[in-house]
Amino acid sequence: GAGVSQSPRYKVAKRGQDVALRCDPISGHVSLFWYQQALGQGPEFLTYFQNEAQLDKSGLPSDRFFAERPEGSVSTLKIQRTQQEDSAVYLCASSFRGQGVNGYTFGSGTRLTVV
Amino acid sequence: GNSVTQMEGPVTLSEEAFLTINCTYTATGYPSLFWYVQYPGEGLQLLLKATKADDKGSNKGFEATYRKETTSFHLEKGSVQVSDSAVYFCALSATGANSKLTFGKGITLSVRP
Repeated sequence: GAGVSQSPRYKVAKRGQDVALRCDPISGHVSLFWYQQALGQGPEFLTYFQNEAQLDKSGLPSDRFFAERPEGSVSTLKIQRTQQEDSAVYLCASSFRGQGVNGYTFGSGTRLTVV
Repeated sequence: GNSVTQMEGPVTLSEEAFLTINCTYTATGYPSLFWYVQYPGEGLQLLLKATKADDKGSNKGFEATYRKETTSFHLEKGSVQVSDSAVYFCALSATGANSKLTFGKGITLSVRP
């Protein structure tokens, strides 16, 4: 596609519910990142994929967070047993290669609200 | 670890005013530096970048110079427009293949006619 597509755009979850957030990167983009953006803050790194390999998951805040990219294209970020502190905008970004110097294309994000 | 500090906001300016948004960073080695912009209802967009000391990034009338001696990357524009109203994020990317971005908190700019 023309851009990075994320779905759903908005998600309201009851505390304790599991959620799955989808990212569809630009076709052919090798690198894929997930970021978490709390209200009034800058995005914070969660995890990084190069093709289907998850090379860095150091930013995942707990073992309730899990990400996958099984075929090296679409990625899913799953949050189990959601808590109120998980409320944030989750951003996906992709690039042709893992070269930050060229910047990344970001999706519009999924706004998760845990009630 | 790496970090980015941006000046506190929000910032409100009149159209055609001069803009400076301060950004300083802490990083090992020689990071690349970026400014991203987020317009209302849209995703983050790369505004400009600089990859080494003394480089100047520029785009849409905005400029920023990579100053290693002061570890700064301040964003400037000589004459802002209403359409520049957005949230601006300074960010860095450490050297290496896994070039994840470290962002500042962002600053909201409002330009009034």
